[in-house]
Amino acid sequence: DAGVTQSPTHLIKTRGQQVTLRCSPKSGHDTVSWYQQALGQGPQFIFQYYEEEERQRGNFPDRFSGHQFPNYSSELNVNALLLGDSALYLCASSLPGIYGYTFGSGTRLTVV
Amino acid sequence: AQTVTQSQPEMSVQEAETVTLSCTYDTSESDYYLFWYKQPPSRQMILVIRQEAYKQQNATENRFSVNFQKAAKSFSLKISDSQLGDAAMYFCAHRGRGAQKLVFGQGTRLTINP
Repeated sequence: DAGVTQSPTHLIKTRGQQVTLRCSPKSGHDTVSWYQQALGQGPQFIFQYYEEEERQRGNFPDRFSGHQFPNYSSELNVNALLLGDSALYLCASSLPGIYGYTFGSGTRLTVV
Repeated sequence: AQTVTQSQPEMSVQEAETVTLSCTYDTSESDYYLFWYKQPPSRQMILVIRQEAYKQQNATENRFSVNFQKAAKSFSLKISDSQLGDAAMYFCAHRGRGAQKLVFGQGTRLTINP
């Protein structure tokens, strides 16, 4: 049973560039959430997608946007990258009404 | 807004002994869920144990158990018979029943000494 798959695993970008991170949810899961984890910190909620719509959003600027596809996979886009965007980006999938989340291994983004 | 606090940045324990990780939280909701996640160097968050706030009985999963004190808003994790594979970052997290997001604490790094 495939778990949550994220790509790429590592990424280096320059300030001002744009980046797209990808997530395939666990088989059977239709809800995808994204989290940002700065070094030495706990993850912070960015947003959640369900039925291709953003259902809830955390305290992140509009530079952070997302998309969910009909097959439930999801993308996280970050525009105008700042040095402070350097972090581990985690994707988590779940089923509605089920309070457990399955996490991927994340994408390590470094902005230079 | 919900907040989760883990006051122990680092903990260490001898292999086969017992260790307790602390977590306190603040919420205005009466119905919610609490979780402990483990994050090894592989980076993947792995669910260790979960507790529903309306259940008075403390959750237990093999060597892992919690001490849930709702009035005190405390949710500690006890690991019995510690094993080398338990070494990781441990995060406490809260989710309101009607909410979509998990709110995490800052984490506790657990080291197991052989």
